[in-house]
Amino acid sequence: AQRVTQPEKLLSVFKGAPVELKCNYSYSGSPELFWYVQYSRQRLQLLLRHISRESIKGFTADLNKGETSFHLKKPFAQEEDSAMYYCALSGNDKIIFGKGTRLHILP
Amino acid sequence: NAGVTQTPKFQVLKTGQSMTLQCAQDMNHEYMSWYRQDPGMGLRLIHYSVGAGITDQGEVPNGYNVSRSTTEDFPLRLLSAAPSQTSVYFCASSYRGRGNEQFFGPGTRLTVL
Repeated sequence: AQRVTQPEKLLSVFKGAPVELKCNYSYSGSPELFWYVQYSRQRLQLLLRHISRESIKGFTADLNKGETSFHLKKPFAQEEDSAMYYCALSGNDKIIFGKGTRLHILP
Repeated sequence: NAGVTQTPKFQVLKTGQSMTLQCAQDMNHEYMSWYRQDPGMGLRLIHYSVGAGITDQGEVPNGYNVSRSTTEDFPLRLLSAAPSQTSVYFCASSYRGRGNEQFFGPGTRLTVL
């Protein structure tokens, strides 16, 4: 079965501090992992995917198959990073999301 | 391109009423899906489709029906609305293939009294 766990409902971080949003997954095959973001009054949109190995808006995420994790990181938080972040796993045609973490950047 | 469109934006129903949430995309995507978003529960997959004529159940399919007669449209039907179906519903589409980006609609906020 596919499962995505985001342990933190809310993460408050001061501007300029590092950010780490945690994501753990359970999947018996080879997973495809994503991070999606929902800014206030905007649609859900893709932030990054592990196959691209890219950095978007300063965010990176590394797939760790040993720890079954795909944590999202940014070295220096900015106020515009405040949003809802969802980790997602694609497998067997189903795309499953975690419960989401609300990131609040404090001034 | 309009992308993924959903109608209506808002809807209030009484318990027991039925209705259809509409979803359409103009990107020729094979894959379409419906999610519900509830506080503390994240996005949960209701039903999905990998192409016209093919649908399958997601995590929370009970109380919902779907059909996919065309590539563009993927309506979600509530057969007999219940207060537990009060939620925000999102439709999404993508090219088929596990690494592809999903494009989301703006959502429909449904309240069942």
